[in-house]
Amino acid sequence: AQSVTQLDSQVPVFEEAPVELRCNYSSSVSVYLFWYVQYPNQGLQLLLKYLSGSTLVKGINGFEAEFNKSQTSFHLRKPSVHISDTAEYFCAVSSQGGSEKLVFGKGTKLTVNP
Amino acid sequence: NAGVMQNPRHLVRRRGQEARLRCSPMKGHSHVYWYRQLPEEGLKFMVYLQKENIIDESGMPKERFSAEFPKEGPSILRIQQVVRGDSAAYFCASSPLGQGAYGYTFGSGTRLTVV
Repeated sequence: AQSVTQLDSQVPVFEEAPVELRCNYSSSVSVYLFWYVQYPNQGLQLLLKYLSGSTLVKGINGFEAEFNKSQTSFHLRKPSVHISDTAEYFCAVSSQGGSEKLVFGKGTKLTVNP
Repeated sequence: NAGVMQNPRHLVRRRGQEARLRCSPMKGHSHVYWYRQLPEEGLKFMVYLQKENIIDESGMPKERFSAEFPKEGPSILRIQQVVRGDSAAYFCASSPLGQGAYGYTFGSGTRLTVV
């Protein structure tokens, strides 16, 4: 079984500050890792995903994440946030080898204040 | 190329009524997945379907819930005799053959409110 822990349920930051949203996972097999963003009353939009290769993954809207196998982490970062980044962010994991399911964390609400 | 289309966007049902949620996958995608998002929770897998086949329904509640993906038309998630605890956002995703979870595209969801 797999699980995902998002360590912070809410993260308030000021505009133009850097932000890190933390994600740890547990799995007995190799995994793919994902970050999704959900704006209020919207669906999920893929920010980035790690499948293999370089452990630093760049995504849309200036976000990036780093896969750390030894620490089983996949933290999301942005060097300078905007008001428009206010949303909920979900980390998710699936098994390598064609798994059809995603296992999600409970989400982190990022609020960017002026 | 339209994305994954879900309708209705919002659905209000009284306790005991039936709810039908529809999902049309992206063109070229043959696999459909349903997830439920309860308040203050992440998404939880419910069911995975291909045309005319349920492949994995391990996340579906044993009673009142059913899903289908007919040869023609959208996938349907059906909830019979709804209760307040069914109030949630229901999301559908589709994926091309062979890509599984890393090929997902999500729809905008249906927000079900049971009154």
